[in-house]
Amino acid sequence: KNQVEQSPQSLIILEGKNCTLQCNYTVSPFSNLRWYKQDTGRGPVSLTIMTFSENTKSNGRYTATLDADTKQSSLHITASQLSDSASYICVVTGGRPDGGATNKLIFGTGTLLAVQP
Amino acid sequence: DAMVIQNPRYQVTQFGKPVTLSCSQTLNHNVMYWYQQKSSQAPKLLFHYYDKDFNNEADTPDNFQSRRPNTSFCFLDIRSPGLGDAAMYLCATSSDRGSNQPQHFGDGTRLSIL
Repeated sequence: KNQVEQSPQSLIILEGKNCTLQCNYTVSPFSNLRWYKQDTGRGPVSLTIMTFSENTKSNGRYTATLDADTKQSSLHITASQLSDSASYICVVTGGRPDGGATNKLIFGTGTLLAVQP
Repeated sequence: DAMVIQNPRYQVTQFGKPVTLSCSQTLNHNVMYWYQQKSSQAPKLLFHYYDKDFNNEADTPDNFQSRRPNTSFCFLDIRSPGLGDAAMYLCATSSDRGSNQPQHFGDGTRLSIL
């Protein structure tokens, strides 16, 4: 069964500290993996997207890594800010036999991050 | 410069009273999606349009329907809302189906059922 699991479920850190969120998936075949940030009461916003050939991708203070062999990804947040408080969702897109991607996104349940002053 | 706009942000309806949620986009994307997201859960895909081609998810209740009159607009119709339909409804777009481009989400409509 295609699944995406995230850990931890929730995390509290102090402003200025770094943190790392984890994502494990069992989706096969695999096309790409995305990290989204969802502020409370808002829609998800794309942070990074990686295909199987990409190991790392950065977007400002956000750095995502991908190990397609172990089917693991992480999102590292550097020098956290209060505005980083949000839910971070890992989303995997399945692949097609022809090498393309399916239209179906498989969502993790997210990690709820709270940054405290 | 909002790209995916959902109206209203908050909608209250009565049990069994039809309700329509709207979504518009300025990206000229071919694909539009409707998701249902309940508290502390991941978004669940209800259906999507690839241009005018409608694609329903197998487990989407018959109570939910959608219309896409043109590229820019898409509507979600809930014919007889039940208490279990209270949720955030997210609209998203993408330039192509099955591509490596991100889906762009609106800020959602939070639906409450009285």
